[in-house]
Amino acid sequence: GAVVSQHPSWVICKSGTSVKIECRSLDFQATTMFWYRQFPKQSLMLMATSNEGSKATYEQGVEKDKFLINHASLTLSTLTVTSAHPEDSSFYICSATRGAGGSYEQYFGPGTRLTVT
Amino acid sequence: QKEVEQDPGPLSVPEGAIVSLNCTYSNSAFQYFMWYRQYSRKGPELLMYTYSSGNKEDGRFTAQVDKSSKYISLFIRDSQPSDSATYLCAMRLKAAGNKLTFGGGTRVLVKP
Repeated sequence: GAVVSQHPSWVICKSGTSVKIECRSLDFQATTMFWYRQFPKQSLMLMATSNEGSKATYEQGVEKDKFLINHASLTLSTLTVTSAHPEDSSFYICSATRGAGGSYEQYFGPGTRLTVT
Repeated sequence: QKEVEQDPGPLSVPEGAIVSLNCTYSNSAFQYFMWYRQYSRKGPELLMYTYSSGNKEDGRFTAQVDKSSKYISLFIRDSQPSDSATYLCAMRLKAAGNKLTFGGGTRVLVKP
């Protein structure tokens, strides 16, 4: 199978602090990773696309200075929420694909619930 | 108007019934169509993937695509309480580099 893990699964932080979320592909090399945000009872909203060794591509309206994405290896991508505020509280989900172009399947992680107090 | 429309539900059915889900889309350039299942507070799990008009069957699941009407469907036969989840349709362009566009999701409740 293709397993994607996320850590932590749940984090509470104080307003103004930064939080780092890790996304790992456990049994395959992920050339591309995606970061999504999901509010309660809403669908997934793509935040950014991350390719190993290059800068992430952010979707329109997503602040790249606030949501820092690093894809330093073929098995690890991180999302850092800087100077978090209560409105950043959400469910963050990553996904990974094995290869570019024709590979259609995105393998999703279990998600990280962020609560900013 | 959203690119992909999906009735949010909830859709409540008795155990054993057929669950019928659908999505409409506006961009005729979408080439690949997927259905994901998401349990509460979990990541989505791929159920079905299709790229041509017609039906595709996998166990209790049947995916249907009608590109001329820009309409896709997912049918779940012999529904079980364990099928209670949110079902998300997703689609992508041929040249989008795997970037998916999701529908809003339909919450399904199968009552024993």
